[in-house]
Amino acid sequence: QKEVEQNSGPLSVPEGAIASLNCTYSDRGSQSFFWYRQYSGKSPELIMSIYSNGDKEDGRFTAQLNKASQYVSLLIRDSQPSDSATYLCAVNAAAGNKLTFGGGTRVLVKP
Amino acid sequence: EPEVTQTPSHQVTQMGQEVILRCVPISNHLYFYWYRQILGQKVEFLVSFYNNEISEKSEIFDDQFSVERPDGSNFTLKIRSTKLEDSAMYFCASSRQLNEKLFFGSGTQLSVL
Repeated sequence: QKEVEQNSGPLSVPEGAIASLNCTYSDRGSQSFFWYRQYSGKSPELIMSIYSNGDKEDGRFTAQLNKASQYVSLLIRDSQPSDSATYLCAVNAAAGNKLTFGGGTRVLVKP
Repeated sequence: EPEVTQTPSHQVTQMGQEVILRCVPISNHLYFYWYRQILGQKVEFLVSFYNNEISEKSEIFDDQFSVERPDGSNFTLKIRSTKLEDSAMYFCASSRQLNEKLFFGSGTQLSVL
């Protein structure tokens, strides 16, 4: 069973601070990694994709991938109350074409 | 900005009835998917579809489920003989290529009574 694990939270951060989210995955052959944001009752919205080891920055978001450690993370800088949501880590396995989602980390940004 | 559209947004049905959930993927995308999310649980993969056939399906996607691309734009999920445990949010998604990012529709909330 290929698993994607996340701390469920809630992760509470003050406005303007950095939120750090972590995700581990079990399938060593995984090739594509994604972070989605999901507001309550809404669909997942893509924030970041990362395919190779290292960091990838997009605005206030930075994704980090370490395939040797089977670990992917997301940093949210200058957190805003509108960033309060559940962040889903999703991994695409080497074989096949499906995303396996983690359970999500709930983030609360307090003004 | 192109988006995946799903209809209806809410569907209420009686146990044992058949439902069809509809999706219009992004027009230049080649891969189509259905996922579901039971309230409070993970987003779960159901099926992927490419070149007019199923490319992969999960254990959830048994004979009760079927997918179809009846024309050049629509992509449907049929659930036969619905059960109480089929109650969930069903998301359609599409991607341009294999292993590329998926774009999700707004979902259909299915309630089986």
